[in-house]
Amino acid sequence: SYVLTQSPSVSVAPGKTADITCGGDNLETQSVNWYKQRPGQAPVMVIYSDSDRPSGIPERFTGSKSGITATLTINRVEAGDEADYYCQVWDSSSLGVFGSGTRVTVL
Amino acid sequence: QVHLMESGGGVVQPGRSLRLSCAVSGFSFNYYAMHWVRQAPGKGLEWVAGISYDSSSHFSADPVRGRFSISRDNSNNTLYLQMNTLRPDDTAIYFCARVGNIQLWGHLDSWGPGVQVTVSS
Repeated sequence: SYVLTQSPSVSVAPGKTADITCGGDNLETQSVNWYKQRPGQAPVMVIYSDSDRPSGIPERFTGSKSGITATLTINRVEAGDEADYYCQVWDSSSLGVFGSGTRVTVL
Repeated sequence: QVHLMESGGGVVQPGRSLRLSCAVSGFSFNYYAMHWVRQAPGKGLEWVAGISYDSSSHFSADPVRGRFSISRDNSNNTLYLQMNTLRPDDTAIYFCARVGNIQLWGHLDSWGPGVQVTVSS
């Protein structure tokens, strides 16, 4: 089955930059989506199709991809950015695949 | 305003069945594919099943295939998940989610708040 690998946690000081990575085989051919989930809440899409940002999501959130690694970057981190972040793709064999999630802690 | 609301969860014994519903409003339901995603206690997100806008295509994840089935009623703006032969490891919060474009395999741009399903004797 297809696997997306994320680091378990990232800690960042307010105002700094957080990079959350997501790796997978042949990821260069996949369209990557990113979701933010705060405790007790439903996920919210923050990036889709590798780098597109939906309306209502701050410009501080950007997505990129290089080879088999996708990156969600949060600039000028704020306390409200503290959450779990999941990458996700649709794979031809495994169908819906989510990464294991990265917990972002704002120091 | 797009709104999704799940219902039908609860506590059920292993081997029994449960049907979840997801009532939607604020958009033309019959134009959008839909999915179910679950989250076990303390765990990450897991895709469960998806269905095309017209019910012509539907798929489910390996752990639930043959036990769970997804369906929809476009006349009543409702998505369903029929869960049979439930197991303790099906215990999770179940979310319904809308695909943000016409594709079945698109980004999930709107989510319901989720409904708790607990499988326990």
